[in-house]
This record gives sequence, structure tokens and C-alpha cells, in this order.
Amino acid sequence: GAGVSQSPSNKVTEKGKDVELRCDPISGHTALYWYRQSLGQGLEFLIYFQGNSAPDKSGLPSDRFSAERTGGSVSTLTIQRTQQEDSAVYLCASSLVRRGGELFFGEGSRLTVL
Amino acid sequence: AQSVTQPDIHITVSEGASLELRCNYSYGATPYLFWYVQSPGQGLQLLLKYFSGDTLVQGIKGFEAEFKRSQSSFNLRKPSVHWSDAAEYFCAVGRSGGSNYKLTFGKGTLLTVNP
Repeated sequence: GAGVSQSPSNKVTEKGKDVELRCDPISGHTALYWYRQSLGQGLEFLIYFQGNSAPDKSGLPSDRFSAERTGGSVSTLTIQRTQQEDSAVYLCASSLVRRGGELFFGEGSRLTVL
Repeated sequence: AQSVTQPDIHITVSEGASLELRCNYSYGATPYLFWYVQSPGQGLQLLLKYFSGDTLVQGIKGFEAEFKRSQSSFNLRKPSVHWSDAAEYFCAVGRSGGSNYKLTFGKGTLLTVNP
């Protein structure tokens, strides 16, 4: 597609349930990022994928969070046993890997945990 | 570790007035600096970026920003604000010398434009 696509755009779940958020990056972009945006907190880095390299998972807040990227393209962020503090907008971005390559963001997946 | 401070959480200006959004960063070397804008319900869009060279950079939608190393600042400016500029603005810093992943973002400044 023309831009970064994320689904679902909105997800309401009950505490304790697992959720999966999907990101389809721009074709040809080898770098993919997940950020979390909480109200008044800016954007928090979660994880970074680049080609076949091991992902940088240093931003994942707990072991309930995991992400994978299949075939170097689509990525799925999974949150297990969701908690109310997981409520946020989860943003995915992709870029070409070069100095100063611009990050292109999707519109985000808004997660609400009741 | 790199960090970004946007001192103003919320700014209100009148349409046609000038605008300056402040951004201060902390980074041990020459940083890559960015300004992104987020309209309600939308993803982030790049306004402009600084890597090296001329410290005054021009961006889209009539925005510009000036890198001041001595002040560790990268303030965003626009001479005349339009109602459509109402949005949230994020400053970000990335490391130089490689791909700019793991950008560190400020907490954002929400801009309201009065008619």
C-alpha cells in the first residue's frame, strides 16, 4: 500500500485477555518500529526490527509484550494478560535504513483495557 | 542517554499570529533532530529534520526550525499560523552516525488556534 497500515484501529478488551495488533509497513522499507503513545506521555519506543537482524526489544515494558515480524514485512505486537495501564495508542512506523531515513507512521491502534 | 524536553504542554495562538514551539535536547554528540505533527486521529507526519549544515531548516506547511548547539535547542517557528495548524507537535532526537532508529520523542505541545 501507499502508507503504513495498522489494524485494528480500535480495540476494546477486558483485563486479562490477550490482544494482537498488526502493522503492514511500506513496501521496501526494511526497518519497522513500534511505539506506544499514552496521554500526555509522548511516544515511548517499544521495539525495532531491521531486516534479518535480531530485533531491539529494549523498550518492551514487560514480558507480557512481544512482537514478531514475518518475512521481513508484516509485524504483530502481542500483549498477553492485558492490564488497564496497557491502554494507549500503539503506533507502528517504517523506514528505509539509511542515515536520517524518515520514519513513516501509521495511524495507530487505540487499545482500551476495561 | 538522549532526551527531549518540550517545555510547553499547551499553546494557544490567534490565527495569523506568529508561533514558536520550544524544544531542548540532551545528547552527547551532534544529533539528528526532527519535528513531527499529529492531527487528531492521525499518525505522525514529518515537518522537517536537521542533520548537518545550515542550522536553519525549512519544512512543509511553511514551518522552519533553527538548530542552536550552544543552547541545545531546536525551536519550531511559523510566521503566520493557520487554523489548520491546530495539532500536536513532537520534537524528536536520533543518534547520528547510523540509522536513526529508537528516536526519542518529547511529550508534545498541543497547539490551539483561535479564529
